[in-house]
Amino acid sequence: NAGVTQTPKFQVLKTGQSMTLQCAQDMNHNSMYWYRQDPGMGLRLIYYSASEGTTDKGEVPNGYNVSRLNKREFSLRLESAAPSQTSVYFCASSESLVLSYGYTFGSGTRLTVV
Amino acid sequence: RKEVEQDPGPFNVPEGATVAFNCTYSNSASQSFFWYRQDCRKEPKLLMSVYSSGNEDGRFTAQLNRASQYISLLIRDSKLSDSATYLCVVGRGNKLVFGAGTILRVKS
Repeated sequence: NAGVTQTPKFQVLKTGQSMTLQCAQDMNHNSMYWYRQDPGMGLRLIYYSASEGTTDKGEVPNGYNVSRLNKREFSLRLESAAPSQTSVYFCASSESLVLSYGYTFGSGTRLTVV
Repeated sequence: RKEVEQDPGPFNVPEGATVAFNCTYSNSASQSFFWYRQDCRKEPKLLMSVYSSGNEDGRFTAQLNRASQYISLLIRDSKLSDSATYLCVVGRGNKLVFGAGTILRVKS
């Protein structure tokens, strides 16, 4: 049981380049999330998808776009990477937006923008 | 002010010690509460949910005080393997809000 799988695990981009972070879950969860984690800041929500076909902005959406491709997959795209987007990115999923169950996280993508 | 505040630590304790972490949250509309554990360079993992009546899971005890907007985690008989960052997490609306975490180092 893989849980939540993120690719790639590491990435270095030059300023202005674009890339897509991939996330897939095999737990038949309805809701999926993208967070970034920076030192001393805690995890901050970028975008989330309550269910297949819907996406909503979180706390820090600027510079990002998302696609909920199907129930399993939720991708995060950086159209023009900036050094401020250097961070660790985590994808997570939950059975529903009812928060009693908490989230299951992927292992993260460490992104450096130079 | 951050919505979820934690003492960043680090807490350096010997094996076998009892250690307590505290957390405060600012939004009284918060509905659900958790402690997550995060090992170095790994993803956060759910440690336990926190209920108003208090709850225990082995060596771990969590307490919630809604009136004071305060959450605690007590770890008894600390093990080397408990060394990690502990994240206080609050559910509000349809999202989880994470504290920046408290670092615990258990030493032999």
